[in-house]
Amino acid sequence: KNEVEQSPQNLTAQEGEFITINCSYSVGISALHWLQQHPGGGIVSLFMLSSGKKKHGRLIATINIQEKHSSLHITASHPRDSAVYICAVKDFGNEKLTFGTGTRLTIIP
Amino acid sequence: NAGVTQTPKFRILKIGQSMTLQCAQDMNHNYMYWYRQDPGMGLKLIYYSVGAGITDKGEVPNGYNVSRSTTEDFPLRLELAAPSQTSVYFCATATDNTEAFFGQGTRLTVV
Repeated sequence: KNEVEQSPQNLTAQEGEFITINCSYSVGISALHWLQQHPGGGIVSLFMLSSGKKKHGRLIATINIQEKHSSLHITASHPRDSAVYICAVKDFGNEKLTFGTGTRLTIIP
Repeated sequence: NAGVTQTPKFRILKIGQSMTLQCAQDMNHNYMYWYRQDPGMGLKLIYYSVGAGITDKGEVPNGYNVSRSTTEDFPLRLELAAPSQTSVYFCATATDNTEAFFGQGTRLTVV
């Protein structure tokens, strides 16, 4: 069973700060997902990664397959970025998606 | 293209009642998942399916059943509802090459 850990669990920052959220996993994977869950509860996908780096607007996701680690960065953070950010991994040869417990991000104006 | 549609959005059940949570997708994704999210906690996998006719247990399958007779539909059945099944339930779909898509969730309370 893949163990997925996220850090920090909670993060409060001032508007404009650079944010980093980390995800580590214990067993090799075929893909890693970053998701966002807003206070209303809906979950949206931000990225799917199997190697390297992806960028979408102010969001950047990186993955290091050898170190079994991924990071989600937010540049020029804004209060509307306040949400829970969740990492999920898909194991090789196994279609399960295993989720981390999430990082609650609060951006203060 | 509706994506992933979950019904109902809210439901209150009495202990011992049964119900089916519906999940339908129109993206032809082969993988479908049911998760539950307890307050302040992460998502836990109940059941998943890699294609029509194939289902498998996740971390917390007890008290639930699923079926996948078509690619589009993946209903979750609760038999003999218990207060411990009070939770928010999410259905999700994915393929090997796409991001995961989630339904809006079903908030279930068992009293």
